[in-house]
Amino acid sequence: NAGVTQTPKFQVLKTGQSMTLQCAQDMNHNSMYWYRQDPGMGLRLIYYSASEGTTDKGEVPNGYNVSRLNKREFSLRLESAAPSQTSVYFCASSERGAGQGLNQPQHFGDGTRLSIL
Amino acid sequence: AQSVTQLGSHVSVSEGALVLLRCNYSSSVPPYLFWYVQYPNQGLQLLLKYTSAATLVKGINGFEAEFKKSETSFHLTKPSAHMSDAAEYFCAVRSGGSNYKLTFGKGTLLTVNP
Repeated sequence: NAGVTQTPKFQVLKTGQSMTLQCAQDMNHNSMYWYRQDPGMGLRLIYYSASEGTTDKGEVPNGYNVSRLNKREFSLRLESAAPSQTSVYFCASSERGAGQGLNQPQHFGDGTRLSIL
Repeated sequence: AQSVTQLGSHVSVSEGALVLLRCNYSSSVPPYLFWYVQYPNQGLQLLLKYTSAATLVKGINGFEAEFKKSETSFHLTKPSAHMSDAAEYFCAVRSGGSNYKLTFGKGTLLTVNP
């Protein structure tokens, strides 16, 4: 009963390097999300995917790209990492997409702690 | 547009005392409201949700929250704090219509003193 699985759990990058954060869910959810969490800022939405084959920008998309590989997997890519992207990244999923099941909660992974030097 | 304000970034209580974490929301349509808890080095876990079925909502670990439309509030309470309640708590709102995204408050860190 894994729920939402994120890999890696920790990562240190140098400025300018690229990397992809992986997320997979086994709950057959339609919608998936990527957030970043910074001290005193709460969670801010980076990108989301309402359903397989669709992605949309959230509140803070600059410097990131996403891929909804299939219904289970939603990856987040940093093409050229910057120190401002040092953060904890959370992936989440929920049962329904736009216009449906608005009372459905989001289920979160344990996060990826990313440091960019 | 929807927004959430959590009053108090840090709340400290004694073990056995009442816990009250405040959340006020702004939404142009009837909202769906959620409380999440985050323990150190973990993801967010759902505590409870309001979906208009009842104004007083009971959640896990003895927590409950009351929806007050006139005050646009959804405060989280627990009658008696336990050491294991020490964590960060987030209130979140989702408005109806086509906007299904969650907007989170900035969080309240709860400390429980022995």
